[in-house]
Amino acid sequence: EAQVTQNPRYLITVTGKKLTVTCSQNMNHEYMSWYRQDPGLGLRQIYYSMNVEVTDKGDVPEGYKVSRKEKRNFPLILESPSPNQTSLYFCASSGLGVNTEAFFGQGTRLTVV
Amino acid sequence: DAKTTQPNSMESNEEEPVHLPCNHSTISGTDYIHWYRQLPSQGPEYVIHGLTSNVNNRMASLAIAEDRKSSTLILHRATLRDAAVYYCILRGLGFEAGNNRKLIWGLGTSLAVNP
Repeated sequence: EAQVTQNPRYLITVTGKKLTVTCSQNMNHEYMSWYRQDPGLGLRQIYYSMNVEVTDKGDVPEGYKVSRKEKRNFPLILESPSPNQTSLYFCASSGLGVNTEAFFGQGTRLTVV
Repeated sequence: DAKTTQPNSMESNEEEPVHLPCNHSTISGTDYIHWYRQLPSQGPEYVIHGLTSNVNNRMASLAIAEDRKSSTLILHRATLRDAAVYYCILRGLGFEAGNNRKLIWGLGTSLAVNP
């Protein structure tokens, strides 16, 4: 079954404690990205990657890091989380064509206290 | 980035057709029109996409205006499971932004389906 798997689904952490949200896809997709979803703001792209070792900033990259060492994995790293990073996060993958379907993970609800 | 405009909310009755409109007057010639939906507590899921011609799949139909400045997602017979937020999105090659093929999200239309 084609899927994007994110972990964890829920996470409560304290300010400044480094955390990683994992994302894995099984469709051999080149394009992967991270979004955050906040009430009234919709989904905003954090980072994206068009292939292994190729990553770039999206619209709201501050406070986040990513890596793409393998094609299937695209972890999101918060080196020093702050309360304004409390949000719902989604990982997505697709082919590079703009006429391709994107697949999304189930989301990670992060709370930073 | 080309933007889309959708009504905030719509309501339908079960087993009736639903027409969800979307305006995208600044669409460029290479932008595809995508529709996604987000069920409560879930990630977005793909519904349908098209470029110029009308499209049908097992979930829905997409009607695209001749000038491509608007489109309509058609759910032929709404079910309770179709209650979700529906997003109309343009996806282009992103030449102005490092070829980032991102999905540009608005706030979508929240569809309520009455039994």
